[in-house]
Amino acid sequence: AQSVTQLDSHVSVSEGTPVLLRCNYSSSYSPSLFWYVQHPNKGLQLLLKYTSAATLVKGINGFEAEFKKSETSFHLTKPSAHMSDAAEYFCVVSDRGSARQLTFGSGTQLTVLP
Amino acid sequence: DTEVTQTPKHLVMGMTNKKSLKCEQHMGHRAMYWYKQKAKKPPELMFVYSYEKLSINESVPSRFSPECPNSSLLNLHLHALQPEDSALYLCASSQGLAGVTGELFFGEGSRLTVL
Repeated sequence: AQSVTQLDSHVSVSEGTPVLLRCNYSSSYSPSLFWYVQHPNKGLQLLLKYTSAATLVKGINGFEAEFKKSETSFHLTKPSAHMSDAAEYFCVVSDRGSARQLTFGSGTQLTVLP
Repeated sequence: DTEVTQTPKHLVMGMTNKKSLKCEQHMGHRAMYWYKQKAKKPPELMFVYSYEKLSINESVPSRFSPECPNSSLLNLHLHALQPEDSALYLCASSQGLAGVTGELFFGEGSRLTVL
């Protein structure tokens, strides 16, 4: 069985300051992990993915995430927030031993203050 | 072309109506999905089609009826819905089954309101 926990339902940062969105996972197999972003009234877009290659993964729009097996974490970071980063972010785990597709976290709403 | 196109963007229907949501992709993907998303919640998987055959039905009520006429099209037929079915319905596609390959490409969704 697999699960994913996003530790913060809301994160608020000032423009130009760092962003940290936290995600912990559990998986019976070697997981693939993803971060998706959803802007208001839009579909989800893939930000980045980890699939057992490099543990530090770079994505679009300056985001990156580090896979830490010992901590079962996959936190999303960005050095400097932009107003356009305000959105809902979902951490997702794919347990490749499972036929049940992807498991979504509950989401983190990121607010960027001017 | 990397888009998943959903129509209509907005739909309002009464509980006795019959309507359909449509989804189209031209990326050559062989898996297509319907998700339901309530406000401030993650998407919930409804159906998965793989090579035009229904492979997963997540115990969805029969008032939702999916159809995959060909590898590029996915429909969701709606009949006798309840107000609690009001939600954003998202279509997605993937190169292979997402549980193996991981990446989903989402449309912008159809926002359904049931009166």
